[in-house]
Amino acid sequence: GQNIDQPTEMTATEGAIVQINCTYQTSGFNGLFWYQQHAGEAPTFLSYNVLDGLEEKGRFSSFLSRSKGYSYLLLKELQMKDSASYLCAVRDGDYKLSFGAGTTVTVRA
Amino acid sequence: IAGITQAPTSQILAAGRRMTLRCTQDMRHNAMYWYRQDLGLGLRLIHYSNTAGTTGKGEVPDGYSVSRANTDDFPLTLASAVPSQTSVYFCASSDSSSGANVLTFGAGSRLTVL
Repeated sequence: GQNIDQPTEMTATEGAIVQINCTYQTSGFNGLFWYQQHAGEAPTFLSYNVLDGLEEKGRFSSFLSRSKGYSYLLLKELQMKDSASYLCAVRDGDYKLSFGAGTTVTVRA
Repeated sequence: IAGITQAPTSQILAAGRRMTLRCTQDMRHNAMYWYRQDLGLGLRLIHYSNTAGTTGKGEVPDGYSVSRANTDDFPLTLASAVPSQTSVYFCASSDSSSGANVLTFGAGSRLTVL
């Protein structure tokens, strides 16, 4: 099984940077994903890391360290529309995807 | 528009009743999944199917059954609903032959069992 931990809530100001950390313990590892979920909507894919290092996609970046069981999602130049829940998910050795409880990010003007 | 369709969007159900949540995808994805999402617990995998004709149990399968008669449809059945099955249910699909195997989610079905 998986143990995936991420903070419950974070608050930041419009235009700022926020870093959401995720730690995990898995039986096997085949990739780490970040999803964004707005209230009342379906999760949507943000990023995927399978090798160590940083993946950058516009204002969003995701980092992975497999040896430390650690990832972070970096949101830059925060906008009001970035207020959402951010879900860290790990694919295990059997290729099943398990999710953390999610981090609710609130962006204030 | 290609994607996943779930029905019903919302349902209130008496305990003990049978209920089937429907899920259809038109992306020809081979893999499909059912998750439930509860406050503070995140998304938990109920059942999955790697290809038509096969199914497997996830983290919380008890009280649920699935079938995968064809590529497009993956219904989830609650044989005798209980209040603890009150949740938001998400169906998802993916192309497991692709490198990242990214899940695409349906809009969700909100189920309340009284």
